[in-house]
Amino acid sequence: AQSVSQHNHHVILSEAASLELGCNYSYGGTVNLFWYVQYPGQHLQLLLKYFSGDPLVKGIKGFEAEFIKSKFSFNLRKPSVQWSDTAEYFCAVNGKNTGFQKLVFGTGTRLLVSP
Amino acid sequence: NAGVTQTPKFQVLKTGQSMTLQCAQDMNHNSMYWYRQDPGMGLRLIYYSASEGTTDKGEVPNGYNVSRLNKREFSLRLESAAPSQTSVYFCASSEARVSGSQGTQYFGPGTRLTVL
Repeated sequence: AQSVSQHNHHVILSEAASLELGCNYSYGGTVNLFWYVQYPGQHLQLLLKYFSGDPLVKGIKGFEAEFIKSKFSFNLRKPSVQWSDTAEYFCAVNGKNTGFQKLVFGTGTRLLVSP
Repeated sequence: NAGVTQTPKFQVLKTGQSMTLQCAQDMNHNSMYWYRQDPGMGLRLIYYSASEGTTDKGEVPNGYNVSRLNKREFSLRLESAAPSQTSVYFCASSEARVSGSQGTQYFGPGTRLTVL
């Protein structure tokens, strides 16, 4: 069965610090990978996605993620965080075996950026 | 273009009461989903509808029913609410199985449900 692990449940950073959130998945076939963000009190919004091609993908608000197939990882990075990046971040995967329909989510990482 | 809309935003129920959560999308998507979000557990799929006229169970379907009313609307019903169903419920939609979007899902604003 597909699964997604986000090992950091809570991360606290100061503004301008660099960010890296870990995401590892378990799946035995072709996958698509996603990062969603949920700002306080809001719904999930798509940050970025990887389907194929260049394993380094860039998303909105200066975020990027790198797909490392050999490590089954899709870590999220940002060189310099801002207070407005305070949110919960979810990694998700879908797979060709389920027609790319069922998204499996990690448990989320709550990021707090202090000014 | 409102995207995915959900009603109500908040609801408080007593144990045993029933209610229906409504979801609609205006993106002409074929597939729709219902999730629940609980602290520390991420999002878990309750039911989904791959296309109009079909519904399938997800990871946590017990205690829920769904109706795909038409292409736009997908409702979630709690027949006899229990405190364990206290959660935030999100509806989402995506394009068809075979499409360039590769199953990217778009989410509604959520319904915060409390069952006393």
